[in-house]
Amino acid sequence: EAQVTQNPRYLITVTGKKLTVTCSQNMNHEYMSWYRQDPGLGLRQIYYSMNVEVTDKGDVPEGYKVSRKEKRNFPLILESPSPNQTSLYFCASRPVQTGELFFGEGSRLTVL
Amino acid sequence: AQSVAQPEDQVNVAEGNPLTVKCTYSVSGNPYLFWYVQYPNRGLQFLLKYITGDNLVKGSYGFEAEFNKSQTSFHLKKPSALVSDSALYFCAVRVLYNQGGKLIFGQGTELSVKP
Repeated sequence: EAQVTQNPRYLITVTGKKLTVTCSQNMNHEYMSWYRQDPGLGLRQIYYSMNVEVTDKGDVPEGYKVSRKEKRNFPLILESPSPNQTSLYFCASRPVQTGELFFGEGSRLTVL
Repeated sequence: AQSVAQPEDQVNVAEGNPLTVKCTYSVSGNPYLFWYVQYPNRGLQFLLKYITGDNLVKGSYGFEAEFNKSQTSFHLKKPSALVSDSALYFCAVRVLYNQGGKLIFGQGTELSVKP
């Protein structure tokens, strides 16, 4: 089954404790992206990647890092989480040529 | 600036009645437009898209959307609403020449269909 898999789905952590949210897709998509969803703000792009070893900032990259060492994986790293990073995070992927994004189920992160 | 607006935070419809969820956009050039649906505790699911061609686009679950270039709108419609259509709906526009062709999303519209 074609899918984007994120882990963990739910996480409560404390300020400053590094964490990684993993994302993996099995559709051989070149493009991958991370979004955060906050009430009243819709979805905002954090980082994106056009292919392996090619990443770039989105609209709200502060406090986040990403890497793309393999085509299928695109982890989101929070080196020192803060409470304002409490949010619902989505990973998504698509082929380069089309606009239709495929989304993971989301990761709800709470930073205390 | 390129943007998408969904003017209604919530839309309430009785089951069996037609529904419309509104979306307007502001983008340079020809837009690529999308609708997604999000059910509780789930990711976003693709409903339909407009790239070019016929202004009326048909998608999943009986939804359709009408592209209106003069009004810069892309409203989502369904002739007869179901209770199971209750969800959060997002309109999005693809930015073709910036940030890898990212999607810019509206803030979402909560659709509630009552029996």
